[in-house]
Amino acid sequence: KAGVTQTPRYLIKTRGQQVTLSCSPISGHRSVSWYQQTPGQGLQFLFEYFSETQRNKGNFPGRFSGRQFSNSRSEMNVSTLELGDSALYLCASSDYGYTFGSGTRLTVV
Amino acid sequence: LAKTTQPISMDSYEGQEVNITCSHNNIATNDYITWYQQFPSQGPRFIIQGYKTKVTNEVASLFIPADRKSSTLSLPRVSLSDTAVYYCLVGDMDNAGNMLTFGGGTRLMVKP
Repeated sequence: KAGVTQTPRYLIKTRGQQVTLSCSPISGHRSVSWYQQTPGQGLQFLFEYFSETQRNKGNFPGRFSGRQFSNSRSEMNVSTLELGDSALYLCASSDYGYTFGSGTRLTVV
Repeated sequence: LAKTTQPISMDSYEGQEVNITCSHNNIATNDYITWYQQFPSQGPRFIIQGYKTKVTNEVASLFIPADRKSSTLSLPRVSLSDTAVYYCLVGDMDNAGNMLTFGGGTRLMVKP
């Protein structure tokens, strides 16, 4: 079966702009979680959605938000981008165990 | 989730067996031990998971002593393509909204 699909794969944005990233989980998986990976901070949990409800949230500012649709696809949004938001954003789909997508590489200039 | 401690980096040569040990002194009764592999600019990939004793699959073995306060990932006969970062995670890996807490991982460098 198809894996976790994240789009776009690469993105370049300017400071102050906003961005939306998309994640399509494995078919049948209802849980989607998001992670930010930077060289300095490593992999950090952003938030997790299950059946369109946010169940868990990491320690990130309110500029980071997300949502999940009825088909389990999820989006995350970052508003008012800062240089420090440059990172690899990973989405994980879960049933029992976690499967990660290849990520979206966001560069803020 | 239990905190884990792993070596920051390890070097090996092609064809050797590599053992990466993870310390998790505060592991809870319901916690499983899971290892992931990550290549640059890719998402972590599941390698192996265990609860106690020994687990083996086609790519690795996982050794867990009786007290479960540590675990060892064993990679037999590594190749250059095994160069990656390896993460040890401890937690209750069910579908209950538990977030994965990644430590710094172990950067394995396999040399020819």
